[in-house]
Amino acid sequence: AQSVTQPDIHITVSEGASLELRCNYSYGATPYLFWYVQSPGQGLQLLLKYFSGDTLVQGIKGFEAEFKRSQSSFNLRKPSVHWSDAAEYFCAGDGYNNNDMRFGAGTRLTVKP
Amino acid sequence: DTAVSQTPKYLVTQMGNDKSIKCEQNLGHDTMYWYKQDSKKFLKIMFSYNNKELIINETVPNRFSPKSPDKAHLNLHINSLELGDSAVYFCASSQANTGRGYTFGSGTRLTVV
Repeated sequence: AQSVTQPDIHITVSEGASLELRCNYSYGATPYLFWYVQSPGQGLQLLLKYFSGDTLVQGIKGFEAEFKRSQSSFNLRKPSVHWSDAAEYFCAGDGYNNNDMRFGAGTRLTVKP
Repeated sequence: DTAVSQTPKYLVTQMGNDKSIKCEQNLGHDTMYWYKQDSKKFLKIMFSYNNKELIINETVPNRFSPKSPDKAHLNLHINSLELGDSAVYFCASSQANTGRGYTFGSGTRLTVV
């Protein structure tokens, strides 16, 4: 079955520290892959996406993600976290021609001062 | 202009009532979706409509019915509301098979009392 897994439910980092959020996917073929961010009480905002080409993808707000086919992973990174990055982060996959985006369970990011 | 707009933002209603949530997109997308986000933040797709045809219907009770009067609108009707229907409902839209991701509305928080 097509699925996306985020192993970490909650991560806490200090402001200014680096961040990596993990995401693994299980699809028959490489899906479209996405990272979304949801601030409290808000909708979902697209951070970045990958389908093919360069495996290191740059997104908004200083985020990047690296696609690793051998590990079926699409981890999200940021070199230096800001307090405003505290939010819920969702990894998602959409199989080509499926129009059926599946989300991971989300990772809640807390930023310590 | 808001790309995907949902109304109302908040909805409090009693068990057994029938209610509707409206969604409109002005992006010219050909596919629209409804997602349910439960109290644990898990996002589950409920429906999608492409060119006025239902193309995905997960294991959603038939008390829920999507209605699409045109390509820019996908409304969600819920009959005989139950306590377990309390959640945040998100509308989204996309241009199918482009890999550009979905654009989400800001959500409707439904509380059934």
